[in-house]
Amino acid sequence: EAGVVQSPRYKIIEKKQPVAFWCNPISGHNTLYWYLQNLGQGPELLIRYENEEAVDDSQLPKDRFSAERLKGVDSTLKIQPAELGDSAVYLCASSFRTSGEQFFGPGTRLTVL
Amino acid sequence: TQLLEQSPQFLSIQEGENLTVYCNSSSVFSSLQWYRQEPGEGPVLLVTVVTGGEVKKLKRLTFQFGDARKDSSLHITAAQPGDTGLYLCAGAGYSGAGSYQLTFGKGTKLSVIP
Repeated sequence: EAGVVQSPRYKIIEKKQPVAFWCNPISGHNTLYWYLQNLGQGPELLIRYENEEAVDDSQLPKDRFSAERLKGVDSTLKIQPAELGDSAVYLCASSFRTSGEQFFGPGTRLTVL
Repeated sequence: TQLLEQSPQFLSIQEGENLTVYCNSSSVFSSLQWYRQEPGEGPVLLVTVVTGGEVKKLKRLTFQFGDARKDSSLHITAAQPGDTGLYLCAGAGYSGAGSYQLTFGKGTKLSVIP
């Protein structure tokens, strides 16, 4: 069974440019999460989806970050415009149900110059 | 806001040595999870402890949940180079608004030297 797939794995952009990350969760997993992980830190939740509904986006900086999960499967996280401080690893995870075991993708490492 | 403090932040030991990593909080969690993360990969769940005082063993790894469900420890016996990685604890619970939350600690970066 395929795990959580994320792309791209690495992205280097200049500040003020837009960037988008894509996540394909494990088949059948209704809950999808986007996390931000800074160097030397643990993951921090940005947004959680139950099917296509964003049920917890309290930590998402909505002035520049947006996310969508069309049809309740794949998800896209976008940053526009990117800032230097956005450099981090963006992790996607999915679980069968809200309180179930989360399976993480390999992450997208973003570098903003 | 629920916070989890992990210690030590960094740990470098020789192969064959024993070690303990701690995860502490002032908050009570419904369960606590331990993850291991390797460079360039996402965290992988090792174990979930649910009951206060619970002890779980995974080969050379022993996990314990505190009686009050506020803290946990991970003990590795006879560490191997393959144990090298970032160990993260994460507390699970529900916020005041009823939203399920998983709060991660900052992690312990373990290096086992052959």
